[in-house]
Amino acid sequence: QVTLRESGPALVKPTQTLTLTCTFSGFSLTTSGMCVSWIRQSPGKALEWLARVDWDDDKSYRTSLRTRLSIFKDTSKNQVVLTVTNMDPLDTGTYYCARMRMLGATRTFDYWGQGTLVRVSS
Amino acid sequence: QPVVIQEPSLTVSPGGTVTLTCASSTGPVTGGSYANWVQQQPGQPPRTLIYSTNDKHSWTPARFSGSLLGGKAALTLSNVQPEDEADYYCLLYFGGAQVIFGGGTKLTVL
Repeated sequence: QVTLRESGPALVKPTQTLTLTCTFSGFSLTTSGMCVSWIRQSPGKALEWLARVDWDDDKSYRTSLRTRLSIFKDTSKNQVVLTVTNMDPLDTGTYYCARMRMLGATRTFDYWGQGTLVRVSS
Repeated sequence: QPVVIQEPSLTVSPGGTVTLTCASSTGPVTGGSYANWVQQQPGQPPRTLIYSTNDKHSWTPARFSGSLLGGKAALTLSNVQPEDEADYYCLLYFGGAQVIFGGGTKLTVL
């Protein structure tokens, strides 16, 4: 059974760095084709893909946020960590992690976490 | 950065059929865009129903189907049920490993 769970602070101040952890089970991030992505959703707005880390430690980031994002995996703990620097009130929203499979012609986010709500306010 | 374009809202009657579409600002959507369709019901996390244009997950109801239609990705719901009322997001894969979500379609069943 695949599960993912996000954790992190519910409130951060502007200019601070946000650190979020995705703890997963039911799969290994060392298996070929496995990836974990972070996606966020501002209140009442659309989903927005942020970053991805792959089984081979390849990483990719949303172009417009590349300078503020960092993603890394700890395979021993089954965790993926996302940091977002210089937080702004516009970064307020629910942050989701999701497993992604990339194998042959398959590309899918198949399992999602419940999400964690982050508010940016002084 | 590419933009993925969806209808902001659609309304369908129970038992009816509706098609949602997903276009790319960079040109026609193809199989290489690996279109995914994600459903989000109110207050719930997203759930992916369709991937790689037309493949279904084990939890995807049979009344949902994906296709390519006139240079766009399409999600067709047949025999629509009241519980299908939700926001539907398309996502496309672009070069450089970028994944872009559309703005979402709010589907009302009325």
